[in-house]
Amino acid sequence: DAGVIQSPRHEVTEMGQEVTLRCKPISGHNSLFWYRQTMMRGLELLIYFNNNVPIDDSGMPEDRFSAKMPNASFSTLKIQPSEPRDSAVYFCASSRDRGGYTFGSGTRLTVV
Amino acid sequence: QQPVQSPQAVILREGEDAVINCSSSKALYSVHWYRQKHGEAPVFLMILLKGGEQKGHDKISASFNEKKQQSSLYLTASQLSYSGTYFCGTEYNNNAGNMLTFGGGTRLMVKP
Repeated sequence: DAGVIQSPRHEVTEMGQEVTLRCKPISGHNSLFWYRQTMMRGLELLIYFNNNVPIDDSGMPEDRFSAKMPNASFSTLKIQPSEPRDSAVYFCASSRDRGGYTFGSGTRLTVV
Repeated sequence: QQPVQSPQAVILREGEDAVINCSSSKALYSVHWYRQKHGEAPVFLMILLKGGEQKGHDKISASFNEKKQQSSLYLTASQLSYSGTYFCGTEYNNNAGNMLTFGGGTRLMVKP
């Protein structure tokens, strides 16, 4: 298996622009997670999907953030409009039946 | 609430041992351990599900004391490849599935 695939690897955008991050989980994994990592705040859970259904989005910082999982093999995290404080590494991870997580390589987002 | 890891940083010589601790103020269902190297994604090491459970992975092992809501990661005869940041991820007793809250990390550096 190719693992969890995220795109793009790097994204530089101007403040106010829309940003869309993409994730393809491992086939057969039924849980998908979006995390954000910064030096100041560490690894923060943004949203958790189980069987494509959003279960907990209490970590989504503001209405500017939204996430979807239209099917078992694809998820997006959208930020609109983006702000400099959104700059971070965004990780997608998947797991099966409460097992260990497999993380994607991450998207390094810089908002200028 | 984020679990507390200690110490925050450790410097070892090759062949020395280290212990990393993870404490939670809430009852735990499971504890995960991950290692992240600079510029890479976290990598799953092991999961502990039961109170008092211990697991091993090469020369890295861990224990989980459910009563004390604590877990410890033991690295014996450390190798250069052990360098990185170690995170514990805690899953609480709830019905919302295996969302993990990660500790702040312990930075481990192994020197020749």
